[in-house]
Amino acid sequence: GEDVEQSLFLSVREGDSSVINCTYTDSSSTYLYWYKQEPGAGLQLLTYIFSNMDMKQDQRLTVLLNKKDKHLSLRIADTQTGDSAIYFCAETYGNNRLAFGKGNQVVVIP
Amino acid sequence: DAGITQSPRHKVTETGTPVTLRCHQTENHRYMYWYRQDPGHGLRLIHYSYGVKDTDKGEVSDGYSVSRSKTEDFLLTLESATSSQTSVYFCAISERTGGETQYFGPGTRLLVL
Repeated sequence: GEDVEQSLFLSVREGDSSVINCTYTDSSSTYLYWYKQEPGAGLQLLTYIFSNMDMKQDQRLTVLLNKKDKHLSLRIADTQTGDSAIYFCAETYGNNRLAFGKGNQVVVIP
Repeated sequence: DAGITQSPRHKVTETGTPVTLRCHQTENHRYMYWYRQDPGHGLRLIHYSYGVKDTDKGEVSDGYSVSRSKTEDFLLTLESATSSQTSVYFCAISERTGGETQYFGPGTRLLVL
């Protein structure tokens, strides 16, 4: 499969912005995704970006895509305690498959 | 939430016993997937299906088999469970309408003693 890299842990104070980074390998990926996993739950689709876009904003979420460096980031504005979770980036490859990073745990400090 | 259920949600079994996990969807999506999630590894694809009776291997398929006899059900079988198969198993579905967005079930926590 593809190799998607993420840093493992981030702590942030409530109300601050948090930024999660990811690098991916397949320059032909059509879409790149961010998923959120809360404790004991499945993965919830947060947002995605089409590969021909540089930026996508969705309420408090901003996704930035740097295709040259194969770098994807997710910025969460005004981070809330409910944002505490593990965040996974994923890239498309092959026949309708996704390759996931190892996840980045975000802890929001009140 | 997409209509995906997994059963059982929790299971404890012994080494060497067969185990079958079920994924059921009500979305009529074409693609279905089985992943396992382990600390330090993220999600890894076990098997996937691109239609009834059409399946293919993922990156960690050894020791697992799957079957899809109807659109709504995708079964994952561990023929002879081993302790290394202790994990959380997630099912996902997608419908290729210009993208490959996958929607996940709630997971099955399996412990092999």
